[in-house]
Amino acid sequence: QSVLTQPPSVSAAPGQKVTISCSGSSSNIGNDYVAWYQQLPGTAPKLLMYEDNKRPSGIPDRFSGSKSGTSATLGITGLQTGDEADYYCGTWDSSLSAAVFGGGTKLTVL
Amino acid sequence: EVQLVESGGGLVQPGGSLKLSCAASGFTFSGYIMHWVRQASGKGLEWVGRIRSKANSYATEYAASVKGRFIISRDDSKNTAYLQMNSLKTEDTAVYYCSRSMGDWGQGTLVTVSS
Repeated sequence: QSVLTQPPSVSAAPGQKVTISCSGSSSNIGNDYVAWYQQLPGTAPKLLMYEDNKRPSGIPDRFSGSKSGTSATLGITGLQTGDEADYYCGTWDSSLSAAVFGGGTKLTVL
Repeated sequence: EVQLVESGGGLVQPGGSLKLSCAASGFTFSGYIMHWVRQASGKGLEWVGRIRSKANSYATEYAASVKGRFIISRDDSKNTAYLQMNSLKTEDTAVYYCSRSMGDWGQGTLVTVSS
């Protein structure tokens, strides 16, 4: 059981938009920045978003992040088949003194 | 270019020990927090622990599932972080990644705990 809650899967057609939610509590999302990671099949996770809504160099602006209270959202527009991956949210939990992740969301581009 | 290369994985029996290494290059290693994260086959990411910099007294924090069994250390002169795993259990079987401040990640090394 993950501390952060994500939908197990989302899907959309190429060119469409999708959002992935990440729900937490006041001791994690409500208290610290959220990061998002993309994990393509068979590869290591890759940082997609940091400090809630900042994109690392090289990440296209099709990817966006937002946060409100104890929930965060990753948005992806102009979906491409290459976006098919698992997506994870993560942050620090001050009560646990531990980093925590969501269970991951599998994105399927139909 | 930031590079993180894990090594030391392999097959170990339950109750055994293993030490993983994470060799870093392309950045000033000594100034960064280093994390270890693991992923069992077909499962999600699980944070293992972290070690802070010398400026923060090399403080460590661990996940409850490994506390008392795993030890994270670092050698700034060798630009390397370590994960000493003791009293290993079958549920510790996973790919272990090291990460620079949860930004850059290595390619991972597989640890299999089985008799």
